[in-house]
Amino acid sequence: SQQGEEDPQALSIQEGENATMNCSYKTSINNLQWYRQNSGRGLVHLILIRSNEREKHSGRLRVTLDTSKKSSSLLITASRAADTASYFCATDPDTGRRALTFGSGTRLQVQP
Amino acid sequence: DTEVTQTPKHLVMGMTNKKSLKCEQHMGHRAMYWYKQKAKKPPELMFVYSYEKLSINESVPSRFSPECPNSSLLNLHLHALQPEDSALYLCASSQRQGYQPQHFGDGTRLSIL
Repeated sequence: SQQGEEDPQALSIQEGENATMNCSYKTSINNLQWYRQNSGRGLVHLILIRSNEREKHSGRLRVTLDTSKKSSSLLITASRAADTASYFCATDPDTGRRALTFGSGTRLQVQP
Repeated sequence: DTEVTQTPKHLVMGMTNKKSLKCEQHMGHRAMYWYKQKAKKPPELMFVYSYEKLSINESVPSRFSPECPNSSLLNLHLHALQPEDSALYLCASSQRQGYQPQHFGDGTRLSIL
């Protein structure tokens, strides 16, 4: 079964608005990563947050991690049409397996 | 441009054919991965190679056969595939196996007739 579940499954916003995506997971983790996938392309790594971190920023991206609730959120501020993509969280469970498990993903549509 | 190169970009094959997917990276990464992705679904891990040795096989059917000839190359040999194997096959690499960010190729779109 999937380690991470994301919501919403799909999100449509206007350019300039903020977009928030949430990820929940089931087991203890070493870190959590967020990836973007444009249609017909591979995944691109966006940001990694370690289990002992609570918040991390990268440009217009803000990621939070709440290990007590086993959840993370990705905020994209001042969205652009080019942000249209699918976004996946990926967890590295603390099982010694050393492999990522991807969440179900959020499809973001930014209307120009 | 991606730093992980996958060929071919598209592949159509019959159920009796034998074909191979190729993946190449020159970033010095020592971990390489194969994923299968169906439409509107997340990538599903198939195989992991660490230092050219098979580290994880996610109970993938034997009609998929991975090979890592050297630290830069990863192949996936296909034989007697089924229609449900039609998917996007993604290759990825990371410095070491584990929690580090993965770099993905743009995948091979595989269609089984």
